[in-house]
Amino acid sequence: KAGVTQTPRYLIKTRGQQVTLSCSPISGHRSVSWYQQTPGQGLQFLFEYFSETQRNKGNFPGRFSGRQFSNSRSEMNVSTLELGDSALYLCASSLGPEGSSVNEKLFFGSGTQLSVL
Amino acid sequence: LAKTTQPISMDSYEGQEVNITCSHNNIATNDYITWYQQFPSQGPRFIIQGYKTKVTNEVASLFIPADRKSSTLSLPRVSLSDTAVYYCLSLDTGGFKTIFGAGTRLFVKA
Repeated sequence: KAGVTQTPRYLIKTRGQQVTLSCSPISGHRSVSWYQQTPGQGLQFLFEYFSETQRNKGNFPGRFSGRQFSNSRSEMNVSTLELGDSALYLCASSLGPEGSSVNEKLFFGSGTQLSVL
Repeated sequence: LAKTTQPISMDSYEGQEVNITCSHNNIATNDYITWYQQFPSQGPRFIIQGYKTKVTNEVASLFIPADRKSSTLSLPRVSLSDTAVYYCLSLDTGGFKTIFGAGTRLFVKA
């Protein structure tokens, strides 16, 4: 079974631009979560989608948005990029039944390393 | 908001047993305790999960006391390849977001 696939693996953008990152979950998984990881802040939760609906959102500005498609694939978008958005963006998938996601095993992709110049 | 507390870093030598303790005072009744491992430039990888007492798999053991306010991840006979960051997880009681703490950076020396 293929794992979680994130594209692209590396991305370089300049301030003010926007970026779209893609995540393909494991087949059969309906929940997709996004995390931002930086050396200073660690792993921070961005948002989670289940069956095309955003179930929860972390404490990030509105420049960060996401969506999930009917095939469970997900995209996240960051508009008006800032230098501080440079980070490793990780996507995780899980089966995602209604209920506590901490009790579910999360499967992570290798991430997209975004550099904002 | 349920939070976890772990040591920031630990050092060990190859062949030793390593125990990493996590405190989660506000863990919810229905929540399991879950640990992940992360290598540089990779996503975290599930290690082990338990609810109470002891759980063991091919990678690690997890010890959970009766009050469930803490847990200890035990890695038997570590090798250099076990050098990684280990996360103990909790759930934000307001929803479905899994919170990663700062993690414990384990460095295994030869």
